[in-house]
Amino acid sequence: GAVVSQHPSRVICKSGTSVKIECRSLDFQATTMFWYRQFPKQSLMLMATSNEGSKATYEQGVEKDKFLINHASLTLSTLTVTSAHPEDSSFYICSARVVRAGYEQYFGPGTRLTVT
Amino acid sequence: QQQVKQSPQSLIVQKGGISIINCAYENTAFDYFPWYQQFPGKGPALLIAIRPDVSEKKEGRFTISFNKSAKQFSLHIMDSQPGDSATYFCAASAGSARQLTFGSGTQLTVLP
Repeated sequence: GAVVSQHPSRVICKSGTSVKIECRSLDFQATTMFWYRQFPKQSLMLMATSNEGSKATYEQGVEKDKFLINHASLTLSTLTVTSAHPEDSSFYICSARVVRAGYEQYFGPGTRLTVT
Repeated sequence: QQQVKQSPQSLIVQKGGISIINCAYENTAFDYFPWYQQFPGKGPALLIAIRPDVSEKKEGRFTISFNKSAKQFSLHIMDSQPGDSATYFCAASAGSARQLTFGSGTQLTVLP
């Protein structure tokens, strides 16, 4: 199957610092990657859609200057949380759409961000 | 119109029983309906998916039933096992962007 990895799996940072989360498609090329955040016992909320080589499209209410997304290659997208605050603490999950399939999205294992 | 409504919020089933989770949608442009399984602290895993040209799809113990006229689809887990205890999300997507709209999730507990 299609495998998506995320790094790191957990990160704790101090308020005001920036954190970068990597999302990689390991065995396939992904023209499109998606970034979600998930609060405890809630559903996934789409933050942005990232297409390789172009600017990300952010969902309404998501600050693009705070959540910087870069999709530099067909196998790597990064999410940088800038000037993190405690309210940014959440579970961040990426997904990648398999080029050949057209529809299926495969999710990474998630990154637990805690801002102290 | 983008919503996908999922029920029940939680479900408790005895081992060997059938678990049924339902979803309803409004957007008739949706043309792809996947189900995801998520364990605590993990990312969602694609279980099974269906497109509106079929009314049912079965993979092992998991079956999706799809009713296009009612705009509803459901997940049936046959012979439920304690290892199936997880949160299940239905989702739908439409158009070239293929963004998924998720249901609110169902926490399934299968008692041994």
